[in-house]
Amino acid sequence: RKEVEQDPGPFNVPEGATVAFNCTYSNSASQSFFWYRQDCRKEPKLLMSVYSSGNEDGRFTAQLNRASQYISLLIRDSKLSDSATYLCVAFSWGKLQFGSGTQVVVTP
Amino acid sequence: GAVVSQHPSWVICKSGTSVKIECRSLDFQATTMFWYRQFPKQSLMLMATSNEGSKATYEQGVEKDKFLINHASLTLSTLTVTSAHPEDSSFYICSASLRTKGNFEQYFGPGTRLTVT
Repeated sequence: RKEVEQDPGPFNVPEGATVAFNCTYSNSASQSFFWYRQDCRKEPKLLMSVYSSGNEDGRFTAQLNRASQYISLLIRDSKLSDSATYLCVAFSWGKLQFGSGTQVVVTP
Repeated sequence: GAVVSQHPSWVICKSGTSVKIECRSLDFQATTMFWYRQFPKQSLMLMATSNEGSKATYEQGVEKDKFLINHASLTLSTLTVTSAHPEDSSFYICSASLRTKGNFEQYFGPGTRLTVT
């Protein structure tokens, strides 16, 4: 079983709509979590850190549910530029464990 | 801030040759750097953790004699793929850790796309 699991998508989202997706993690000792964004053939870029129950940054809201061991990401008012693969990452024992990513495609 | 560079950004080499990839933290000192490999449509797989001044810690299944890592300074780590084979063709990404306000974040280099012919 993978340490971090994500729905690969793609999530096709009309521009301006809201999209949300989750990831689950298996290691209950994971200390912190992150959402990274990865564009095709590029390196991952940190989108948000999730250290407690969750946080919000502009149109992006991340939530952490430790009891159920999942993290969610919600994107409001989707822009065309939000099209990317979103990587869920858990940090435990000094290492980052990456999910395979959720592809989001925002359409005009 | 928190910029990490990699060089080269892409390289094509012949089977059997060695390739060196450099990873630099440009505006901060990184005691720990990480090397990842990513195959198409797959997640990043951690290959090794590189600590300045000590031997790298390799993940299970990664051959340390094939993937040589040197972390010579607080801003530079190198990965050398020795005797490269076509199956080593991949996207290699390094990252450097930065502790901010007591939290831990990793910043990634732009990656090196290796093609072995």
